[in-house]
Amino acid sequence: GQSLEQPSEVTAVEGAIVQINCTYQTSGFYGLSWYQQHDGGAPTFLSYNGLDGLEETGRFSSFLSRSDSYGYLLLQELQMKDSASYFCAVRSSYKLIFGSGTRLLVRP
Amino acid sequence: EPEVTQTPSHQVTQMGQEVILRCVPISNHLYFYWYRQILGQKVEFLVSFYNNEISEKSEIFDDQFSVERPDGSNFTLKIRSTKLEDSAMYFCASSERPAGNTGELFFGEGSRLTVL
Repeated sequence: GQSLEQPSEVTAVEGAIVQINCTYQTSGFYGLSWYQQHDGGAPTFLSYNGLDGLEETGRFSSFLSRSDSYGYLLLQELQMKDSASYFCAVRSSYKLIFGSGTRLLVRP
Repeated sequence: EPEVTQTPSHQVTQMGQEVILRCVPISNHLYFYWYRQILGQKVEFLVSFYNNEISEKSEIFDDQFSVERPDGSNFTLKIRSTKLEDSAMYFCASSERPAGNTGELFFGEGSRLTVL
């Protein structure tokens, strides 16, 4: 089976940097994805790591260490609109399996 | 920009009734999925669908559930004899390649199902 662990909640100040960690256990690992979900909204894709290392997309970066079964999402220059839930997800066969999500609250 | 559309946005039903949730995936996508999210909880996989058949399904997706692609555009989830615990947001998603290949699924805005 698969399991993913994320912190349930993180609070940070506007303009700061925050890191959301994800550890996973899965068979047949292909890569780690990150999704953002605002309250009442749909999950939207942020980034994907298929190989070890850092992927950067604007203010967001994502890191993967396959040997450690670990990844993180880094959000820089936090804005109020970044307040949302963030999910890591692993691909397993014909589906993505999502973690339980981290609720990020950005304070002014 | 192409998007996944879902109808209805909200459906209220009585326990024991049947509901059909509809989805129009992105037109050139070949892989389709249903996920559900109980309020405040994680996004749970229900079923994936490719080439007019189920590719994979979760333990949640029991005989109460069925999926169909009745024509070239729609993808439906039918829930027979709804139960209180079926109350959730149901998300349809699609991708060009299996599980997005690069992990990217395109989600619709969801159908909120409330079972009374």
